[in-house]
Amino acid sequence: GAVVSQHPSRVICKSGTSVKIECRSLDFQATTMFWYRQFPKQSLMLMATSNEGSKATYEQGVEKDKFLINHASLTLSTLTVTSAHPEDSSFYICSARGSADTQYFGPGTRLTVL
Amino acid sequence: RKEVEQDPGPFNVPEGATVAFNCTYSNSASQSFFWYRQDCRKEPKLLMSVYSSGNEDGRFTAQLNRASQYISLLIRDSKLSDSATYLCVVNQNGNKLVFGAGTILRVKS
Repeated sequence: GAVVSQHPSRVICKSGTSVKIECRSLDFQATTMFWYRQFPKQSLMLMATSNEGSKATYEQGVEKDKFLINHASLTLSTLTVTSAHPEDSSFYICSARGSADTQYFGPGTRLTVL
Repeated sequence: RKEVEQDPGPFNVPEGATVAFNCTYSNSASQSFFWYRQDCRKEPKLLMSVYSSGNEDGRFTAQLNRASQYISLLIRDSKLSDSATYLCVVNQNGNKLVFGAGTILRVKS
């Protein structure tokens, strides 16, 4: 199946710093990528849809100025959590859309903000 | 009402048992349906798509009832390695995936 990578897999940072997470589709081109967040014992929640070459579409309640998304190429999307705070600690997962509306997920990034 | 609802479980079953999970969705315009599996602290992995005619993949059988907006997953001859959280996922408008909160399965020897 298609492969999606994420980097870093785990990050611990101090409150107020910014963290960038990369999502790459390794063996296919993805015009659309998605960013999700999952808090403990909860379901994945879609944060935003990232479209190559255009602005991301954010879900209701997600601050676009806090979660900056850049999708500059067909294989790379980045999510930057700006001025991170402890409540931003979560499991961030990206996915890339392949054929037949199937989404392939990256391994996730576990963010801990102290 | 949640867009996708699942019984959270946990379902504790012995090896070899048959277990069924149910899921309902609220948006009648939903277009495609999936079951994903998620292991602890890992990303979801696609288990199978779900079609109106029903489909089977080895020990796994999925069913969709559009009239009732109901999806099911049947696992036969459960293995220890089947222990995971099973996510019911609905694709709305061809783009957005909506995830259920998941059903926990624990298979014990």
